[in-house]
Amino acid sequence: QQPVQSPQAVILREGEDAVINCSSSKALYSVHWYRQKHGEAPVFLMILLKGGEQKGHEKISASFNEKKQQSSLYLTASQLSYSGTYFCGTVGSGNTGKLIFGQGTTLQVKP
Amino acid sequence: EPEVTQTPSHQVTQMGQEVILRCVPISNHLYFYWYRQILGQKVEFLVSFYNNEISEKSEIFDDQFSVERPDGSNFTLKIRSTKLEDSAMYFCASQSYGYTFGSGTRLTVV
Repeated sequence: QQPVQSPQAVILREGEDAVINCSSSKALYSVHWYRQKHGEAPVFLMILLKGGEQKGHEKISASFNEKKQQSSLYLTASQLSYSGTYFCGTVGSGNTGKLIFGQGTTLQVKP
Repeated sequence: EPEVTQTPSHQVTQMGQEVILRCVPISNHLYFYWYRQILGQKVEFLVSFYNNEISEKSEIFDDQFSVERPDGSNFTLKIRSTKLEDSAMYFCASQSYGYTFGSGTRLTVV
């Protein structure tokens, strides 16, 4: 079952914050976050394992609520380089390693 | 930083022809995957490969598709008889923690 991301698109000014949500109908083992720039491969940002942890990567952090099967990606003080499409990917509770990607959230940061 | 390498970067083929997409995963990774992305759409799982065999495949991965790791380094995806709807970007990935994706092969079936 494909996770659902919201919003579908975000437009920000440099320095503004954004939150991207990812929700699954199935029990999860882990959630991954990736960023893809146009014409390039997705790039791994972070992985969150069940346990409700929050992780950070520069000014990008994420949380995982295992009970609600939801994850959120937080982008603070956005920079132009943050523009791209953000995908969450979920691994089911069986932990087969197979990653199912959400439909993506397009983020555009303007000067 | 270690990379996943894919060749060719772009392939144009006639409908019905066979294509082989090649990937060199990161050497100490054990799990390998093929995904595809139709232009502007989501990244779709095709197949996972572990210990020299398929561990899981999607409904997209029908009898026209096969994967091999012929020599312990290369990891190939073969499409036996291509269809127009096979046109997409195909990504190989290997995993230790997160996935590391290759730069992709853009397959165009005409």
